[in-house]
Amino acid sequence: QVQLVQSGAEVQKPGASVKVSCKASGYIFSSYAMHWVRQAPGQGLEWMGWIKSGYSSTEYSQKFQGKVTITRDTSASTAYLELNSLRSEDTAVYYCARDGVTTFDFWGQGTLVTVSS
Amino acid sequence: SYELTQSLSVSVALGQTARITCGGNNIGGKNVHWYQQKPGQAPVLVMYRDNNRPSGIPERISGSNSGNTATLTISRAQVGDEGDYYCQVWDSSPVFGGGTKLTVL
Repeated sequence: QVQLVQSGAEVQKPGASVKVSCKASGYIFSSYAMHWVRQAPGQGLEWMGWIKSGYSSTEYSQKFQGKVTITRDTSASTAYLELNSLRSEDTAVYYCARDGVTTFDFWGQGTLVTVSS
Repeated sequence: SYELTQSLSVSVALGQTARITCGGNNIGGKNVHWYQQKPGQAPVLVMYRDNNRPSGIPERISGSNSGNTATLTISRAQVGDEGDYYCQVWDSSPVFGGGTKLTVL
């Protein structure tokens, strides 16, 4: 069965960077794109960007351009989300979600990133 | 940019029918997907491309989409149906509605 397992919660100081991982299993990782979605405390879902299958090109929401970098390691069946120059407003749960052709058919369990001095 | 509008909350009596709507300009021309999110959990896809149920989603959950409104209908509502529901479309990039909190009384 398809599973996306994300790395554990992080606490980072303002200005730092963090890298969240999403390990996939149960399907051919290289055949599917992967998205990242943010959910701030008490708020809704917000699409951040995605890394496509094939040549692994990326596309980011304008809001997160320059803030995030999405990569993947096909040999490890793992996708990554890196956030830089962290601010308190970046405190949120970050989800990876498999692309299901315009939809998100499977989701990781979420990774809480807390930015606090 | 494209916007999706959802009511903040919907309440339904146990065993009755709940309708959760998602408004958008000519949304009927787009594929609409729905997610359920329970507290502290990741979202789960419950309807895709307007009216298709993923494996494991009961038949009493259905979807429709026409004009400027898409609707997720939950018949014979159960306590387990409670949670936040988000609609989503693709308009050059994915867009989510603000979410609707469903309460089963």
